[in-house]
Amino acid sequence: KQEVTQIPAALSVPEGENLVLNCSFTDSAIYNLQWFRQDPGKGLTSLLLIQSSQREQTSGRLNASLDKSSGRSTLYIAASQPGDSATYLCAVTYGGSQGNLIFGKGTKLSVKP
Amino acid sequence: GAVVSQHPSWVICKSGTSVKIECRSLDFQATTMFWYRQFPKQSLMLMATSNEGSKATYEQGVEKDKFLINHASLTLSTLTVTSAHPEDSSFYICSATNSNEQFFGPGTRLTVL
Repeated sequence: KQEVTQIPAALSVPEGENLVLNCSFTDSAIYNLQWFRQDPGKGLTSLLLIQSSQREQTSGRLNASLDKSSGRSTLYIAASQPGDSATYLCAVTYGGSQGNLIFGKGTKLSVKP
Repeated sequence: GAVVSQHPSWVICKSGTSVKIECRSLDFQATTMFWYRQFPKQSLMLMATSNEGSKATYEQGVEKDKFLINHASLTLSTLTVTSAHPEDSSFYICSATNSNEQFFGPGTRLTVL
């Protein structure tokens, strides 16, 4: 069964800290992997998309890495801010561009001023 | 966990026809449902936010007259793609929230010939 697991489920850090969110997937034959942000009561906001042939993607203070062979991805957030507080979701696609998304349950991040 | 279903899981239609996609929360009442779509090699993008009993809120660039959303009950939201064209071919996924957590449907693959 293809599953996506995110650890930790929740994380609380003081402002300014660097942090890492983890995502693992059981079937390494992914097509791509995505990280999303979700604010309470809101829809998803796409953060980073990594194709299976790529090792990492960067956007501002965010860096996502992908180790397909080990079935892992990490989202690194540098110099965290209270505005980063949200739930972060990892999702993988199998079966090519026409495949379906499988989401993790997310990590709820709280950055305290 | 709560379950969200989508029907159909895939559909192929001719250009110019209308297609309705259903999103159901099976074991909880969803005050808000979200509709997303994902084009090949692109990230999932939010199309609209649907609140029960009120008009949906569409994201910029999404035509509300083309993508009709109805959220008539707390367990059902429908997305109708009117006069579908090949460029509407995409993966449509819904999610439902009970205000504490968001649950995703398995998605609907739409192919317009």
